[in-house]
Amino acid sequence: DGGITQSPKYLFRKEGQNVTLSCEQNLNHDAMYWYRQDPGQGLRLIYYSQIVNDFQKGDIAEGYSVSREKKESFPLTVTSAQKNPTAFYLCASSRGLAGMTSSYNEQFFGPGTRLTVL
Amino acid sequence: EDQVTQSPEALRLQEGESSSLNCSYTVSGLRGLFWYRQDPGKGPEFLFTLYSAGEEKEKERLKATLTKKESFLHITAPKPEDSATYLCAVYGGATNKLIFGTGTLLAVQP
Repeated sequence: DGGITQSPKYLFRKEGQNVTLSCEQNLNHDAMYWYRQDPGQGLRLIYYSQIVNDFQKGDIAEGYSVSREKKESFPLTVTSAQKNPTAFYLCASSRGLAGMTSSYNEQFFGPGTRLTVL
Repeated sequence: EDQVTQSPEALRLQEGESSSLNCSYTVSGLRGLFWYRQDPGKGPEFLFTLYSAGEEKEKERLKATLTKKESFLHITAPKPEDSATYLCAVYGGATNKLIFGTGTLLAVQP
């Protein structure tokens, strides 16, 4: 079955720690995305990548970092610089590049990782 | 500024009671409007994409429609398993990013 996997499902972070959230897809999609979801707010874009070895900041990139060394993988690191990291983190992927008017920009989501700061 | 507003925030229906959810948007150069369903603690599940005014799409008890200013998600004879948060997002404008609304929480009581 093709899909997007995220791990772990739950993650607890102590103050001052960096943590890495995993996202893997086997849909052969070029583009991948990280969103943050907080109660009462719409999903907010953290980072996105349209191609291997390239990524762009989204609307709330401060305190986060990413890498895209493989097409299938787009891990997100939540650094100690992120002051309010407790949230539900969602990874998504789409077939193609942003700006195309076609099914290429339909985004499919993983099951999410809930991060809690202790 | 590109914006998406969903209403109502929450909706409670009796099983079989049809209704509609609204998604109004302001974006220049719409390249797509997307509907997702999200169950508690899970990732959004893709439902529909609409690209131009007048377009309609259906899936089981759900039907999505699009005008130049808004989209409706019509739910016909809902069942308790339709209970979820329904998210609307638009693609377009100056940023070429998905802009999400805050969702409508639908509860269908048996």
